[in-house]
Formats: sequence, structure tokens, C-alpha cells
Amino acid sequence: RKEVEQDPGPFNVPEGATVAFNCTYSNSASQSFFWYRQDCRKEPKLLMSVYSSGNEDGRFTAQLNRASQYISLLIRDSKLSDSATYLCVVNEGYSGAGSYQLTFGKGTKLSVIP
Amino acid sequence: SQTIHQWPATLVQPVGSPLSLECTVEGTSNPNLYWYRQAAGRGLQLLFYSVGIGQISSEVPQNLSASRPQDRQFILSSKKLLLSDSGFYLCAWSGTRLAEQYFGPGTRLTVT
Repeated sequence: RKEVEQDPGPFNVPEGATVAFNCTYSNSASQSFFWYRQDCRKEPKLLMSVYSSGNEDGRFTAQLNRASQYISLLIRDSKLSDSATYLCVVNEGYSGAGSYQLTFGKGTKLSVIP
Repeated sequence: SQTIHQWPATLVQPVGSPLSLECTVEGTSNPNLYWYRQAAGRGLQLLFYSVGIGQISSEVPQNLSASRPQDRQFILSSKKLLLSDSGFYLCAWSGTRLAEQYFGPGTRLTVT
């Protein structure tokens, strides 16, 4: 069974802080990885894709460690608007039926406090 | 740009009643389409996916079914709802070459 594990949190951090989330995955053949952001009672939205060792977009940095099978998401200078649940998603590979199969973690909840 | 629509946004249905949820995508051709369910406090569970008109793959056995009558339309149905069918139903699309999936706004279903 393919699993994606995340610390559910919540992580309560003050504005301006740096916060990091870790995610571990069980399938060593996983090809690519994603972080999605989900606001309360809303749909998940793609935040970042990771195809090699990492990716950076402004205040957000994702790093991949294939040997240890974990991905991290670092958020610098946290804003109130960063409060959300962050989902770690693993691409398990191309299925025989013609699409990629994604496995979703249950998410880590972040609350940024004024 | 691509957009994905789902309706209705919320739905309250009695046990044993039928269900039909609709999802449409604009701005892309021949997308892969997906139905997920997110129960309270749980992760996203893939229910069905489709790589083309009339092609449906089911991930979990249940009393739900899916159909794709047109290229950019995906429908989730049930003949008789169970209490356990309550949840947040999300439709998503992806291209055929990349794995990223993009979600619609979802339908929140409560079975009473």
C-alpha cells in the first residue's frame, strides 16, 4: 500500500516566522511530487511542483530527499494569508489506463498568528 | 485559460435517494478527468478517473458510478445514497503529459 505521511499539526506560528513541513512517502519509485494548499472548505490548489531535488518560488521552497524518501516545504516570512492546510502529494507513476496516479497526504494545518 | 466547474455547490439528500453531480472543463481538449471524495479529517480518495469519452476506471468498489458523455463533461451518480456517502466531492482535470491536477470548487454532500 502506497502511503504519504504528514504531521497533521496544527502549526501555530507568528507573522514573519519561518516554518517547515515534512512529508514522507513509501513508494521509492515515485516520480514527482507536489504541494497543494487547501483553505477551509475549499478545493486544493497547486502551490508547487517538484521534479528534481527541489524548487523555489518566492517565499516558498520545496526540497526532495529521494534517499530518505521525504519532501519538505519551507515558508519564509509567514503571512496571515498563508494560514491553510498544506497537502503533500506524490506521483506514483503512469498507470496502465493512461493517467498518472497521485497519492495525497492528509495535510498539515498552518495557522499564522498576528 | 482553463476553468473547471462543478454543481451544485452544496446538496442535502435523504438516504436512499439518487445522486447526480456534474463537472465541466473549459479551455482544454481531451483532458484526463477525476472524481475524488474528501471525508471529514481524511485525505482525498480517488473514486474514478477517465482518459476519454466513455472510458471510466474505478478505484474503489462502492455504490457510486461515473460517466463521461462528452469530452469535457464528467458525471458522478448513485442510484441510492448511503449515510457514508457524505463528504466533499471534488472533480479535477489534468493534461495527458503532466501529472499536475487542477480541482474544481467541489460539492459538499450531506446524506441525512
